[in-house]
Parts: sequence; C-alpha cells; structure tokens
Amino acid sequence: SAVISQKPSRDICQRGTSLTIQCQVDSQVTMMFWYRQQPGQSLTLIATANQGSEATYESGFVIDKFPISRPNLTFSTLTVSNMSPEDSSIYLCSVEDSTHETQYFGPGTRLLVL
Amino acid sequence: RKEVEQDPGPFNVPEGATVAFNCTYSNSASQSFFWYRQDCRKEPKLLMSVYSSGNEDGRFTAQLNRASQYISLLIRDSKLSDSATYLCVVNEGGKLIFGQGTELSVKP
Repeated sequence: SAVISQKPSRDICQRGTSLTIQCQVDSQVTMMFWYRQQPGQSLTLIATANQGSEATYESGFVIDKFPISRPNLTFSTLTVSNMSPEDSSIYLCSVEDSTHETQYFGPGTRLLVL
Repeated sequence: RKEVEQDPGPFNVPEGATVAFNCTYSNSASQSFFWYRQDCRKEPKLLMSVYSSGNEDGRFTAQLNRASQYISLLIRDSKLSDSATYLCVVNEGGKLIFGQGTELSVKP
C-alpha cells in the first residue's frame, strides 16, 4: 500500500486566516482525494484532485473556500481559506489502491479554529 | 435518508464475545463494499472487502446481501485491541461513501 504523509499534523488557527495542508505520497498516483471529518462525524469527500486539471468539488464545497493544487503525481495541497470555528475538523487526503475500488488514507491534519 | 446507515452504538462487550455490526445502503447501483476500522485520533484503515459470497479473515466475517442492500460484519472472540470505530463504506461510481461508524468497546 502507498505511504502517505501530511503536514502539518495539527494546528490551531485564528478565524479569518488560511491554512494550507500538504499531502505527499511515496508513489505516483492518478487521483488524490481530500476529506473532512468533523468532530463525532464520519468522513465527507471535499474534492477529487487530478494532476493537470482542476479539482472536482462535491456538493457543498467550493473552490474559493477550499482551493486545491495538484502540481505532480505525488503531491497535493488543500487550503482552508478565511477560516471560522466551523472549519475545525480533521482533514485527510487519500489515494486509490491498485484495484481503484478503495482508498488508503493519510494520517490527517487536526485543525482547531479559535 | 442517509446513503449509508449504521447503528452508532456504542457496543460494550466483554472479551471473548461475538459482536455483529449491520449496515444498509440506499443506492442499488453501488459496486463495491468495505469495512474500515478507525482507532481514536487515527486515520481509517481498510479492514476487509465485502463480497456476496461472504468472506472471512481470521475472527472477522463480512457478508453482503445485494437484494436487501445490507452489509454485516461479525467479530468472534473479541479482543481488547478490537476496540475502535468500524466504518461501513460503499463505492458509488468511484466515490467512497462512509457510514457514520459503529463504536466498539471491548472490556476485560
């Protein structure tokens, strides 16, 4: 399985600021995914990031709030913009496994917005 | 109606007990199904895939009933280390849809 790392692992931020989360994979992958897991909730897909094209956002998520970069086949970033306390969550990136049916997840970034 | 529904629990069981988790999904066109395990403050990790024929991995047995749109996970001889949240996951057109998870606590 792919080895996925995320930076930062956690952060405490002030409202109105932005945070960029990095996701690094140890092998080249076509698709990378960004999820949010709010306190006590399950995972919700934010967007799918393909290299060389615009990210595809799920209903309820917009590019202005969650801009995503995918500069190459091993790296992606998610920015949480103009943060509010409601953005306090765990943000996880993932990649597909070799069957393209399921996914492996990074360790997550714990964000607290004050 | 949620796309993937699970009993949130918590399930509190003694060591050695057998425990069963149930899950239902709403989209009959869903292609593949999985159980993930998520430990406290950790990322979800794939536990096992679920097939119509049923599949077993040691103490864990997963079953899929497509007609009823129902998925189950059975854990036999539960261990303290089985304590975690178990997530039912459905692949719909390449996207993973997660249930809210069922919390299991195994006590000595």
